[in-house]
Amino acid sequence: DAGVTQSPTHLIKTRGQQVTLRCSPISGHKSVSWYQQVLGQGPQFIFQYYEKEERGRGNFPDRFSARQFPNYSSELNVNALLLGDSALYLCASSLVSTLANRYDGYTFGSGTRLTVV
Amino acid sequence: AQSVTQLGSHVSVSEGALVLLRCNYSSSVPPYLFWYVQYPNQGLQLLLKYTSAATLVKGINGFEAEFKKSETSFHLTKPSAHMSDAAEYFCAVTGNQFYFGTGTSLTVIP
Repeated sequence: DAGVTQSPTHLIKTRGQQVTLRCSPISGHKSVSWYQQVLGQGPQFIFQYYEKEERGRGNFPDRFSARQFPNYSSELNVNALLLGDSALYLCASSLVSTLANRYDGYTFGSGTRLTVV
Repeated sequence: AQSVTQLGSHVSVSEGALVLLRCNYSSSVPPYLFWYVQYPNQGLQLLLKYTSAATLVKGINGFEAEFKKSETSFHLTKPSAHMSDAAEYFCAVTGNQFYFGTGTSLTVIP
């Protein structure tokens, strides 16, 4: 079975540009969460979506947005890129809708490495 | 509020030696605790989890962790380090979301 897939794996953008990152959850998983991992830090929660609805949002500016599609795949959009947005963006999927998924944790993808120059 | 603190951003052990990675948590409710491992250029892989059952939790690859409420700790151990254990390790606690520590980089010396 395919795990969580993310695309692209790497990309380089210029300050001020916009970027879209994509994620396909594990088959049967209806919840997708996005995390930002800056080099040398732990992942920070950005969004969670379940059944196409936003269920939670972390402490990120409005330049960050996301959506979930009927097939449960998801996109993360970041507008007006800043140098500080350079990070590994991780997508995680889970069966249940609870934000923390306390019982099972998440299955993470390999991430998209975004470099803003 | 929930948070975790990982003591030691870098740990080096010799191959075959004991691995001990430290994690202390803060939680206003009974915590659910996780350890994840991240290999270079990869995502996070779940090692083990504590969900209020047994306090000694066994995970994959020979790792285990013990929940100690009195010490608010959830340290990760492995009796004998292997070269393939070299990676970044993250402790996490759940509240209304996952809260990750800053990570501990494990180096295994041959």
